[in-house]
Amino acid sequence: QPVGSGGGLIPPGTSLRLSCAASGFTVSTNYMAWVRQAPGKGLEWVSVIYSDGTTYYADSVKGRFTISGDSAENTLYLQMNSLRAEDTAVYYCARVHLRCLVDWGQGTLLTVSS
Amino acid sequence: EIVMTQSPATLSVSPGERATLSCRASQSVSSNLAWYQQKPGQAPRLLIYAASTRATGIPARFSGSGSGTDFTLTISSLHSEDFAVYYCQQSHNWPEITFGPGTKVDIK
Repeated sequence: QPVGSGGGLIPPGTSLRLSCAASGFTVSTNYMAWVRQAPGKGLEWVSVIYSDGTTYYADSVKGRFTISGDSAENTLYLQMNSLRAEDTAVYYCARVHLRCLVDWGQGTLLTVSS
Repeated sequence: EIVMTQSPATLSVSPGERATLSCRASQSVSSNLAWYQQKPGQAPRLLIYAASTRATGIPARFSGSGSGTDFTLTISSLHSEDFAVYYCQQSHNWPEITFGPGTKVDIK
């Protein structure tokens, strides 16, 4: 199970990087995704990265968030810039298999507030 | 964007009873539909993919059916550990996957 980290309480307009350390599989040879869940709400897809480095983003984060992977650290990252209150959520990483999300991390909470 | 809806929002069921959850897509998603279970404070867990295939380790009491726009998740006999929130997710519009708002199954 991946281990997510990097969340916290940060002011609007700032930046933060989330990490997701994988074990039992290789981040760089899998499709990996970030999904978020606002407090008390449902699930929202954020971004995906393919094994060839191709990336996709939800419109709500496009231009502000960047997904990447580090093969040496076997870790998935989400660089988040220009953060807004509406980005407040638990962020989950997950391995993609057959267009479904398997091997979810435990989630890391990001709170954007002044 | 493909919008997913789920009904009911909350389903109250007694242990041992059958639970039937519905999911509808705003347009056809063929069989590109998955179901997840989420318990409080935990990450979601994949139950069903391709509308009707159980994921590894998922008990046979969970079954999925449907295609096109209408889907059903059935739990044949509820165990105490099955009380949770269930989400459907379409992957027809990959990578822009979307989830339903969830159905909470609680104890009657």
